[in-house]
Amino acid sequence: DAGVTQSPTHLIKTRGQHVTLRCSPISGHKSVSWYQQVLGQGPQFIFQYYEKEERGRGNFPDRFSARQFPNYSSELNVNALLLGDSALYLCASSFLQSNYGYTFGSGTRLTVV
Amino acid sequence: GQQLNQSPQSMFIQEGEDVSMNCTSSSIFNTWLWYKQDPGEGPVLLIALYKAGELTSNGRLTAQFGITRKDSFLNISASIPSDVGIYFCAGQLFGAGNNRKLIWGLGTSLAVNP
Repeated sequence: DAGVTQSPTHLIKTRGQHVTLRCSPISGHKSVSWYQQVLGQGPQFIFQYYEKEERGRGNFPDRFSARQFPNYSSELNVNALLLGDSALYLCASSFLQSNYGYTFGSGTRLTVV
Repeated sequence: GQQLNQSPQSMFIQEGEDVSMNCTSSSIFNTWLWYKQDPGEGPVLLIALYKAGELTSNGRLTAQFGITRKDSFLNISASIPSDVGIYFCAGQLFGAGNNRKLIWGLGTSLAVNP
């Protein structure tokens, strides 16, 4: 049974560019959340989607956007990249919008130069 | 961003020793979760706590949801080398629109000397 899969695993971008990160949740999971983890810190909540609708948004600028597709996979988009956007971007899925622990993917390591 | 107070920041122990770490918050949480993260990987759920006062074990791991709902601790008994990693606490808030975001601690880095 596949876990949460994220692509790509690593990415190097230049300041000002745009990036799209992808996430496939565990089969049957309808909720996907995105987190940003800067080196040496805990993850920070970016977005949550459930049944293709945005259900939560963290304190991130409008350069960050996301969407969820009918098959429950999700994309995170970041425009006008800044050096400070360099981080591990984690996707987590769960079966329901519940209080059960989420299952995380291995993340996408984004480096902005 | 919002973070929980997690301590200690790091620990270096001998194999076989017990380990204790805790998290505190100024906010009340509905759920407390403990995760372990290995380098280059996403966090893996260790224990989930859903009720104030709840004490839950998972093998050598034991965690408790504080009575005030503002704190939690994790104990690891008889540590082994594979316990090495970063341990995170996370509190779950139920917000508007059924948003259930996780608020995380800064992590406890555990090193085990064989």
